[in-house]
Amino acid sequence: GAVVSQHPSWVICKSGTSVKIECRSLDFQATTMFWYRQFPKQSLMLMATSNEGSKATYEQGVEKDKFLINHASLTLSTLTVTSAHPEDSSFYICSARDFRGRETQYFGPGTRLLVL
Amino acid sequence: SQKIEQNSEALNIQEGKTATLTCNYTNYSPAYLQWYRQDPGRGPVFLLLIRENEKEKRKERLKVTFDTTLKQSLFHITASQPADSATYLCAPGDQGGKLIFGQGTELSVKP
Repeated sequence: GAVVSQHPSWVICKSGTSVKIECRSLDFQATTMFWYRQFPKQSLMLMATSNEGSKATYEQGVEKDKFLINHASLTLSTLTVTSAHPEDSSFYICSARDFRGRETQYFGPGTRLLVL
Repeated sequence: SQKIEQNSEALNIQEGKTATLTCNYTNYSPAYLQWYRQDPGRGPVFLLLIRENEKEKRKERLKVTFDTTLKQSLFHITASQPADSATYLCAPGDQGGKLIFGQGTELSVKP
């Protein structure tokens, strides 16, 4: 139980293009999903908190117009990196929290983004 | 600002021994604390959660303690195995569900 998937697992794109990453909770409903970014040898940094049916809450320093988050259903959240640049290259990981309010976050396998 | 610190150095131990990982936090009063395992190139995998009113939690070979006075959590793996080699992340959290991650401790268990 508590499986979270991400798609794609890796993506290479040209500078200036947009990339969409999907995060799905497969066997539970998630009212809250989180998006993190992780650079090599560093910890996970929270980018934004996404609640189903409402606007995402972004952490300080994260550009909401660059990282568009949509949480349209209880099992799906998407992160779109708009006008990607090489400095956006990173490992993006989502997590989902059970709608019953339990604290545990279950993480997806991550998406490796490389912007050329 | 809130700060989470884990063993800064990698931890190398012999198979069968107990690994003890440390997590200290400052400027923070978490409602609970979670421990995760992360393998290279993968997302974190949930291991244990301990709440602020709990002193100790166990799951198979894993044990977590939580001392809110010392602002510290200890994570123990008994009878360690090479398959336990990974990076272990400490993540205190608040009532809103937001986690703050430590930088992780890389554990290497040698046969």
